[in-house]
Amino acid sequence: DTGVSQDPRHKITKRGQNVTFRCDPISEHNRLYWYRQTLGQGPEFLTYFQNEAQLEKSRLLSDRFSAERPKGSFSTLEIQRTEQGDSAMYLCASSFIFGGNGYTFGSGTRLTVV
Amino acid sequence: AQKITQTQPGMFVQEKEAVTLDCTYDTSDPSYGLFWYKQPSSGEMIFLIYQGSYDQQNATEGRYSLNFQKARKSANLVISASQLGDSAMYFCAMREGSNYQLIWGAGTKLIIKP
Repeated sequence: DTGVSQDPRHKITKRGQNVTFRCDPISEHNRLYWYRQTLGQGPEFLTYFQNEAQLEKSRLLSDRFSAERPKGSFSTLEIQRTEQGDSAMYLCASSFIFGGNGYTFGSGTRLTVV
Repeated sequence: AQKITQTQPGMFVQEKEAVTLDCTYDTSDPSYGLFWYKQPSSGEMIFLIYQGSYDQQNATEGRYSLNFQKARKSANLVISASQLGDSAMYFCAMREGSNYQLIWGAGTKLIIKP
């Protein structure tokens, strides 16, 4: 396993367009997390999945955001009607449910809304 | 109130010197975990070290050690014998109780000078 993969690495989109990001976690990991990181700040929690169930969504996740994890494998994060304030790095991480304390992060998808 | 505070926005350190990155935290939960991550310019969050609130000894991982002072609620990262490749952003993060999400500080930008 090569770790957590995120695609694309960079995305430039016009305001109002929809975008979708993909995350492939470490295959043995049950939990998958999405974070958003704006320039000069630490990441902020968006949502997380345990297997295929989305168990929590942050208030940061407006109605324009939706995340899925079909079959408990990869996950997608979609942003509809993008706004300039959505410009950020979107980080995906995965972990085991029990045992260990490590969260493995992907390299992120950098979104720029113009 | 800030749960994780990193008071050093940036630091310059001479190569081969030791460096201490500060982190203070705030929680009322007796069970918590503290993490340090490194984020190079490529964007990936790289796990460095973990300290649990009930751990009796300070955590160490190679050149990284965590100076855990529970009464002062501080968890400073010490990097011994710094290398040019250590130049990056460093984030302190906390997980409270059985919560699954990490709460992050704003980070410290470390630059190692040759």
